[in-house]
Amino acid sequence: EDQVTQSPEALRLQEGESSSLNCSYTVSGLRGLFWYRQDPGKGPEFLFTLYSAGEEKEKERLKATLTKKESFLHITAPKPEDSATYLCAVQPLIQGAQKLVFGQGTRLTINP
Amino acid sequence: NAGVTQTPKFRILKIGQSMTLQCTQDMNHNYMYWYRQDPGMGLKLIYYSVGAGITDKGEVPNGYNVSRSTTEDFPLRLELAAPSQTSVYFCASSYSPPTEAFFGQGTRLTVV
Repeated sequence: EDQVTQSPEALRLQEGESSSLNCSYTVSGLRGLFWYRQDPGKGPEFLFTLYSAGEEKEKERLKATLTKKESFLHITAPKPEDSATYLCAVQPLIQGAQKLVFGQGTRLTINP
Repeated sequence: NAGVTQTPKFRILKIGQSMTLQCTQDMNHNYMYWYRQDPGMGLKLIYYSVGAGITDKGEVPNGYNVSRSTTEDFPLRLELAAPSQTSVYFCASSYSPPTEAFFGQGTRLTVV
């Protein structure tokens, strides 16, 4: 069964304190891995797509990396506005399977 | 360009009532999805559509129905509402996978 596990469930950092969020996945084959940001009361907002092991994507203070078993979202010198829940999702490489399998998310809080 | 629009934003239903959650997108995406999000859980796919006139079940379809008569609209119907359907519902759309999905703002539904 396709599965995505994110850790930690919640993370509190001081402003400027860098850290990483983990997304471990088990799929029969990976078509793509997605990172989303979700603010309270809002829908998920797309951040990155990664397709193959070794790939990296960057956007401002965020960098996403991918291996064959997991992905990391590295946040460098975070600011309070980076506080949000970060969701990881995988799209299995199965004929006809359109679904995204989501992890439960990591709730990130950045204290000023 | 509004993206994905969901209505209503909030709704309280009594057990046994029915309702339709509306979703429309203006990006000319063929793929549309309905997810539900429960506290501390990942998003679960209810139904999806790969184009007008074509729909299919996701992971948790029981108690729901969908239709797709146009490219823009993808309503979700709840028949005989139950407390287990209390959740936040998100509609999303995308180009052909594995491109990113764009989400609406969500509908918070409470069944009492």
